[in-house]
Amino acid sequence: KAGVTQTPRYLIKTRGQQVTLSCSPISGHRSVSWYQQTPGQGLQFLFEYFSETQRNKGNFPGRFSGRQFSNSRSEMNVSTLELGDSALYLCASSKGTDGITDTQYFGPGTRLTVL
Amino acid sequence: SQQGEEDPQALSIQEGENATMNCSYKTSINNLQWYRQNSGRGLVHLILIRSNEREKHSGRLRVTLDTSKKSSSLLITASRAADTASYFCAPRRGDKIIFGKGTRLHILP
Repeated sequence: KAGVTQTPRYLIKTRGQQVTLSCSPISGHRSVSWYQQTPGQGLQFLFEYFSETQRNKGNFPGRFSGRQFSNSRSEMNVSTLELGDSALYLCASSKGTDGITDTQYFGPGTRLTVL
Repeated sequence: SQQGEEDPQALSIQEGENATMNCSYKTSINNLQWYRQNSGRGLVHLILIRSNEREKHSGRLRVTLDTSKKSSSLLITASRAADTASYFCAPRRGDKIIFGKGTRLHILP
């Protein structure tokens, strides 16, 4: 079974621009979660999508948004980029139906650098 | 918040020795998971321990959970160079999973 894939792997943008990251979950998985990882803050939860609906949301400003398509693929968008948005963005997929034992499988991440 | 806090932040040991990492959290949980992350890459799920379990094994990994102390530990026995990575605990309460900042483990040759 193919793992979680994220594209692109690396991205360089300038302040004020916007960016869209993509995540393809494991086949059969319906939940996709996004995380931001920085050295200072560690792994922070952005949001989770399940069956095209946002199911959970972290404490990030509205500049961070996402969506999920009918094939469970997900995109994350960041508008008006700031220097502090430089981070590794990780996507994780899970079945989404196993309740509290639902296990997340992570992609390799997209390394975003904002100049 | 039930965010896990790993201790120590960094650990260096000789190859072949055992490595122990600890995790503390603040509220009651349903389960706790441990993940490994090799430098700058995605996280790999290692093990899940439920709140009614006290110990779990997987290969060279041993995880314990003490819900009365709100703490968990991950023991890696007979460490190898390939175990060099960051290790994260992730306590879960309902649909919320909050990762700690991790322990950086370095295995010395």
